Amino acid sequence: SQKIEQNSEALNIQEGKTATLTCNYTNYSPAYLQWYRQDPGRGPVFLLLIRENEKEKRKERLKVTFDTTLKQSLFHITASQPADSATYLCALKLSGGYNKLIFGAGTRLAVHP
Amino acid sequence: DAGVIQSPRHEVTEMGQEVTLRCKPISGHDYLFWYRQTMMRGLELLIYFNNNVPIDDSGMPEDRFSAKMPNASFSTLKIQPSEPRDSAVYFCASSLRQGVDTQYFGPGTRLTVL
Repeated sequence: SQKIEQNSEALNIQEGKTATLTCNYTNYSPAYLQWYRQDPGRGPVFLLLIRENEKEKRKERLKVTFDTTLKQSLFHITASQPADSATYLCALKLSGGYNKLIFGAGTRLAVHP
Repeated sequence: DAGVIQSPRHEVTEMGQEVTLRCKPISGHDYLFWYRQTMMRGLELLIYFNNNVPIDDSGMPEDRFSAKMPNASFSTLKIQPSEPRDSAVYFCASSLRQGVDTQYFGPGTRLTVL
């Protein structure tokens, strides 16, 4: 069956450390993968997109990797800050003309001062 | 731009009542998406439109749900009759064009069906 898995348990880290979130998928052939941030009571906000032929993408303190062999994406936040505390969702855009995103359940990140 | 606008932000209704959720996408966006988010099932796509035409409604749970997009600046999601299991946060999102479909989400409507 098709699945997108993100750590269901919250990730607690100390301010200044690097947070690493994982997104694994099975039985999908994504054209690309996106990461979104969601704060309580708000809609998801787009952060980064990485295509199937890209290994890594960076934006300021954010870095995303994409391994289509392992069927996994890693999302890193370096020098984390309490303001980074939120839920982070990965989303797959399927290849083959399907113009919709399939979202993972999200991982909640808590950065402690 | 004001972003995606949804109304109401909160809706409390009784089982069996009709519920209508509204969405105004970002001007110029060709795609509009309706999602439902619950703790149990996460963020699920219900239906999406391209240029006001429904393209994929395979996520609509049952016939009690219907969605329309009468013009490029307005869409509705209707539930009739509503049931307690419909309680969730409903998001509307829009995107500019196919192939680069970063989606911009509205603030959501929190629906509670008693």
